[in-house]
Amino acid sequence: AQTVTQSQPEMSVQEAETVTLSCTYDTSESDYYLFWYKQPPSRQMILVIRQEAYKQQNATENRFSVNFQKAAKSFSLKISDSQLGDAAMYFCAYRSFNTDKLIFGTGTRLQVFP
Amino acid sequence: DGGITQSPKYLFRKEGQNVTLSCEQNLNHDAMYWYRQDPGQGLRLIYYSQIVNDFQKGDIAEGYSVSREKKESFPLTVTSAQKNPTAFYLCASSIQPDSEKLFFGSGTQLSVL
Repeated sequence: AQTVTQSQPEMSVQEAETVTLSCTYDTSESDYYLFWYKQPPSRQMILVIRQEAYKQQNATENRFSVNFQKAAKSFSLKISDSQLGDAAMYFCAYRSFNTDKLIFGTGTRLQVFP
Repeated sequence: DGGITQSPKYLFRKEGQNVTLSCEQNLNHDAMYWYRQDPGQGLRLIYYSQIVNDFQKGDIAEGYSVSREKKESFPLTVTSAQKNPTAFYLCASSIQPDSEKLFFGSGTQLSVL
């Protein structure tokens, strides 16, 4: 069975600085998707960025980028130029190519200080 | 505006009572999902539906039931058999079952009186 591990329960960063959130996963599959979701205090889940495992190029969305290391089964999220609005819970998630099921990690709470 | 509407935002259940959480979407999405979130944990899949009149159990379906009589609606009933129902419940949808992008509602917090 696939698992997703986020080993950092909490992280903090100062405004305008860069922070990296870690995620590792375990799978025997070769084709899959990986995601980072943001859950602000409103508790609504918002997709931040996604990566297809067959793509070697790391995904980027504005200030958000990932470091996808397939062999190491690592999928970290880098937030550049951090803003106060980035403060939230961040969840890493995995989905097989052939199923509908998302498997989530336990989340990392990010605090942003002015 | 298109989106997913969950109601109510807060719900209280008495012991032995069944309660139903509503989820409606006007995105014309085929697939819909129910997730449960407990404090300090990620989301876990309860049930999902790929088409009308069809649904499958997720990882933690015991004590829950669903129906999918209309494309836009996917209500979740928390039955008295669910002994630990206090949690935050999130509904989601995707344009097709194998689409990688999920759209989430704003959630319902269920508490036991």
